[in-house]
Amino acid sequence: AQTVTQSQPEMSVQEAETVTLSCTYDTSENNYYLFWYKQPPSRQMILVIRQEAYKQQNATENRFSVNFQKAAKSFSLKISDSQLGDTAMYFCAFMSGEKYGNKLVFGAGTILRVKS
Amino acid sequence: ETGVTQTPRHLVMGMTNKKSLKCEQHLGHNAMYWYKQSAKKPLELMFVYSLEERVENNSVPSRFSPECPNSSHLFLHLHTLQPEDSALYLCASSQDGRGYEQYFGPGTRLTVT
Repeated sequence: AQTVTQSQPEMSVQEAETVTLSCTYDTSENNYYLFWYKQPPSRQMILVIRQEAYKQQNATENRFSVNFQKAAKSFSLKISDSQLGDTAMYFCAFMSGEKYGNKLVFGAGTILRVKS
Repeated sequence: ETGVTQTPRHLVMGMTNKKSLKCEQHLGHNAMYWYKQSAKKPLELMFVYSLEERVENNSVPSRFSPECPNSSHLFLHLHTLQPEDSALYLCASSQDGRGYEQYFGPGTRLTVT
């Protein structure tokens, strides 16, 4: 069974600085998808960024980018120019590309606090 | 808002009560999901529906009973719950198929007394 590990329960960063959130996963599959979701306090969870395992190029969405290391099974999220609105719980998630069911396997999450 | 709504937003119920959680998506998706989010635990997938058929049931106790009458609506019927069932219950939807993003609702905060 796939597992997702986020080793940083909490992190903080100063506004305008850069922070990296770690995520590792375990799978025997070659074809899969990885996601970072953001859950702000008392607000809905939304997708931050998505990566297909067959793509070597790291995904980027504005200030958010990933460092996808397939051999190491690592999928870290970098947030540049951090803003107060980035304060949230961040979840790393895995989805199989080989088994049916659209099942997302989540990590335990990292609480990120952006300080002014 | 992401187009997925959930009602009620908060629910307090006794262990002998019967209640239902409702989820509605306005995104034209054909897959819907129930997740349980407990403090200090990863989100747990409970049920997956694809084209109104249940395709995943993650060993969820029978006191939780899902219903998907059509591709836009999903219910979670609750009866004789336990205090450890207190959690945030999240509904999500997506296009059916591999790799699609899931859109989440705001959740129902359930407290079992």
